[in-house]
Amino acid sequence: RKEVEQDPGPFNVPEGATVAFNCTYSNSASQSFFWYRQDCRKEPKLLMSVYSSGNEDGRFTAQLNRASQYISLLIRDSKLSDSATYLCVVNKPTGGFKTIFGAGTRLFVKA
Amino acid sequence: DTGVSQNPRHKITKRGQNVTFRCDPISEHNRLYWYRQTLGQGPEFLTYFQNEAQLEKSRLLSDRFSAERPKGSFSTLEIQRTEQGDSAMYLCASTTGGSSSTDTQYFGPGTRLTVL
Repeated sequence: RKEVEQDPGPFNVPEGATVAFNCTYSNSASQSFFWYRQDCRKEPKLLMSVYSSGNEDGRFTAQLNRASQYISLLIRDSKLSDSATYLCVVNKPTGGFKTIFGAGTRLFVKA
Repeated sequence: DTGVSQNPRHKITKRGQNVTFRCDPISEHNRLYWYRQTLGQGPEFLTYFQNEAQLEKSRLLSDRFSAERPKGSFSTLEIQRTEQGDSAMYLCASTTGGSSSTDTQYFGPGTRLTVL
């Protein structure tokens, strides 16, 4: 079993749609959680951190459920420019810590 | 440009050759990470440095791989006796560091390695 699992998609949605991605992680001691966005042939960039209380940044909402060990990302009013791969990221303690990326969920937003 | 830089951007080599990549992190970032990414996968953690100290090393990093950050600034990743399975994008990232695991990682553009 992978340490961080995501549905690879692709998710094909029309502009204006709401789309949700889930991610599960296996290590209950994981400390911090993020969503990164990666455009084709580009480097990953932070989209948002994920907090236990949930957090929102414009059209994006992230939730963390520690009991069930999953993280979610909700995108409202999808734009063409949201088309990308969304990477779920978990830092797990190892003495220091180790950053684990999921394989990513691909999103295509169509006009 | 004050972002993370990586050189070279592309490297084509023959199986069995050694290659070395360089990463220059954002100035004053204490923590530096190396990842490997293959098509359709997320970045796989290889190692990270806090200043010049290598604090964590993945089991993915076989004895053919070595990373250094001698002065706590730039870092090099060397792959000896390259194999075709080493073909991937090698990404470097940096953060402000400290003991927190919550810092944003800023990635460089990567070095794409092709082993023939």
